[in-house]
Amino acid sequence: NAGVTQTPKFQVLKTGQSMTLQCAQDMNHNSMYWYRQDPGMGLRLIYYSASEGTTDKGEVPNGYNVSRLNKREFSLRLESAAPSQTSVYFCASRRSGVDDGYTFGSGTRLTVV
Amino acid sequence: GDSVTQMEGPVTLSEEAFLTINCTYTATGYPSLFWYVQYPGEGLQLLLKATKADDKGSNKGFEATYRKETTSFHLEKGSVQVSDSAVYFCALIGTGNQFYFGTGTSLTVIP
Repeated sequence: NAGVTQTPKFQVLKTGQSMTLQCAQDMNHNSMYWYRQDPGMGLRLIYYSASEGTTDKGEVPNGYNVSRLNKREFSLRLESAAPSQTSVYFCASRRSGVDDGYTFGSGTRLTVV
Repeated sequence: GDSVTQMEGPVTLSEEAFLTINCTYTATGYPSLFWYVQYPGEGLQLLLKATKADDKGSNKGFEATYRKETTSFHLEKGSVQVSDSAVYFCALIGTGNQFYFGTGTSLTVIP
């Protein structure tokens, strides 16, 4: 099925470990996004890529890096995980028109101990 | 700046009750407005949208009308089911073609 695929679905890290969350979409969307979702705080934008070859910081970029590998793939890297990064991470994509909504992946549940 | 304000939850209703979840927004111009739904353990899914004033978005028995005069986009359903239990997010596309989400409203429907 067409959509946004995130891997892994679950991950437990120790403080200081690194990992990369993968995201791929097959809808030929231009823009891709990484959000984190925490209880009582809704969705917060970490980084986004408006088009292939560009990336920009969102609301909460500290502690993260991203790579827009090609039009399909947008990865999120935690270089040195901290307990404050325990969260559910969602990748999303959309075309770039002003009426176009997001398509979300199913999320990665990350726990940092 | 652009923002979305949703009614606080959680909301608990009996099956077949009427649902309203309030959403108001602040934005320059006339943003496109959206409702997303998140079922337990899943990502967000687009429920409905409206792109201009007085438009009504509808899907799966849910409706919302774009009210420019009150800057609102309230979500309604005439008769909720247990399967509607989820978290509902109001959102808009605002300045710089960026999405702005509300904090979400949790709905539980009991049989």
